[in-house]
Amino acid sequence: DTEVTQTPKHLVMGMTNKKSLKCEQHMGHRAMYWYKQKAKKPPELMFVYSYEKLSINESVPSRFSPECPNSSLLNLHLHALQPEDSALYLCASSHTPRQGGSTEAFFGQGTRLTVV
Amino acid sequence: KQEVTQIPAALSVPEGENLVLNCSFTDSAIYNLQWFRQDPGKGLTSLLLIQSSQREQTSGRLNASLDKSSGRSTLYIAASQPGDSATYLCAVGAPNSGGSNYKLTFGKGTLLTVNP
Repeated sequence: DTEVTQTPKHLVMGMTNKKSLKCEQHMGHRAMYWYKQKAKKPPELMFVYSYEKLSINESVPSRFSPECPNSSLLNLHLHALQPEDSALYLCASSHTPRQGGSTEAFFGQGTRLTVV
Repeated sequence: KQEVTQIPAALSVPEGENLVLNCSFTDSAIYNLQWFRQDPGKGLTSLLLIQSSQREQTSGRLNASLDKSSGRSTLYIAASQPGDSATYLCAVGAPNSGGSNYKLTFGKGTLLTVNP
C-alpha cells in the first residue's frame, strides 16, 4: 500500500470559519509533510513532522496550525484564513534518512481549498 | 539555499516522439532526486527516484539519469503518447539547513503536451 489519503477533497470556507484538513498513511513512514500549491506553481513546503515532532516550519502564518497525533495521521487546522490562502494543499510522507532505505516521497491527491 | 531549475518550461511534441526533460540543482549535497507527474488539479505521482549514489533509473518508457557532480538530471520519455500529457516536476531531496531533517525542493515543472 503506497497510498496517502487526504480528506476532504474540496473545501470552501469563510474567513471566520475553523476547519481541518486530514492526511493518513500506513506505510510506516515517520516523516510527514504539508505543501501548499498555487495554480501553475510548484508545491511549497509548509511543515515537516519527523517522528511525530514538528521539525520544520517554513515561516508559515499562525492561522495554519499543524498537528501530528500519531505516526499515521497528520492534520492541518485552519482558522481566520484569507482569500489568498486558497490553493491545493498536499500531504506527503516518506521514510526518514534514519529509518534507512528509500526516502521516496508519496503524495496524496490534495485538498482544494477555497476561502471566500 | 538549494535552487532547482527545469528546462523547458513547456514542450509540445507529436505522438511517438522521444523527448528529454532537464533539471538542474545548485547544491550537490543531496540524498536523492525524484521525478513526479502532476495532472491538472491533482496530486503528485512519483515516477522515478534516483539515490545520490546511482546514475540512472528506468521504469517502462521512462529513464532518469543523475550527474550529482554537475548538478543535473534528465528524464527521458520514449515513444511519447497523448496520455503522457501532464506537468513533470523534479524534486531534490536533501538535508535542511540544520542537517537534521530531510526536505524536498521542487523545480517549477515542465508542461508537456503530446499531440495525437
